[in-house]
Amino acid sequence: AQKITQTQPGMFVQEKEAVTLDCTYDTSDQSYGLFWYKQPSSGEMIFLIYQGSYDEQNATEGRYSLNFQKARKSANLVISASQLGDSAMYFCAMREVWGNQFYFGTGTSLTVIP
Amino acid sequence: EAQVTQNPRYLITVTGKKLTVTCSQNMNHEYMSWYRQDPGLGLRQIYYSMNVEVTDKGDVPEGYKVSRKEKRNFPLILESPSPNQTSLYFCASSFIISSYNEQFFGPGTRLTVL
Repeated sequence: AQKITQTQPGMFVQEKEAVTLDCTYDTSDQSYGLFWYKQPSSGEMIFLIYQGSYDEQNATEGRYSLNFQKARKSANLVISASQLGDSAMYFCAMREVWGNQFYFGTGTSLTVIP
Repeated sequence: EAQVTQNPRYLITVTGKKLTVTCSQNMNHEYMSWYRQDPGLGLRQIYYSMNVEVTDKGDVPEGYKVSRKEKRNFPLILESPSPNQTSLYFCASSFIISSYNEQFFGPGTRLTVL
């Protein structure tokens, strides 16, 4: 079974609007970390935000927030006030504390329309 | 400057010709990892290392070798490359602190095997 599922291969959003990128995960561990990375067309991987499984509050970093719903095993990324520079691939990832692997989703390509 | 470096950045080779992609980090990270990125498949972990002389297989280790003789270096070896190993490769490193270990990525190596 897939550990990380991103069901939106491509998304479009109008500039200045908010957008939600979906991510669901599969684990039987109680302790794990969830990550979002951005990959612009230049190719580098940029860390955006982290959520720990025991964190009670949703993580926020500037315009990025993580909508963490533990019971549903979802960790959606919300980008507020989209900018043209947000156009990129976005990857959701997970690390289980007692395992040592990182698992990535297949990514969502976001295009911000002027 | 804290960074992960990879060399070469681009490589075109032929089937069966052994090659090594180097990876080095200057952040004293214990954890290092190799990924390959293919369209529609996201990033998949090839091998990872928890520390010197400790390496483990990820999800797609076939056709690859690694070694960790020094903490800062984690080379990826393709002893007999095949066309299905044409891909974008990333090296990454992190500390091992609970579930939070944001990975720092190298710039990527684009490999083409003819």
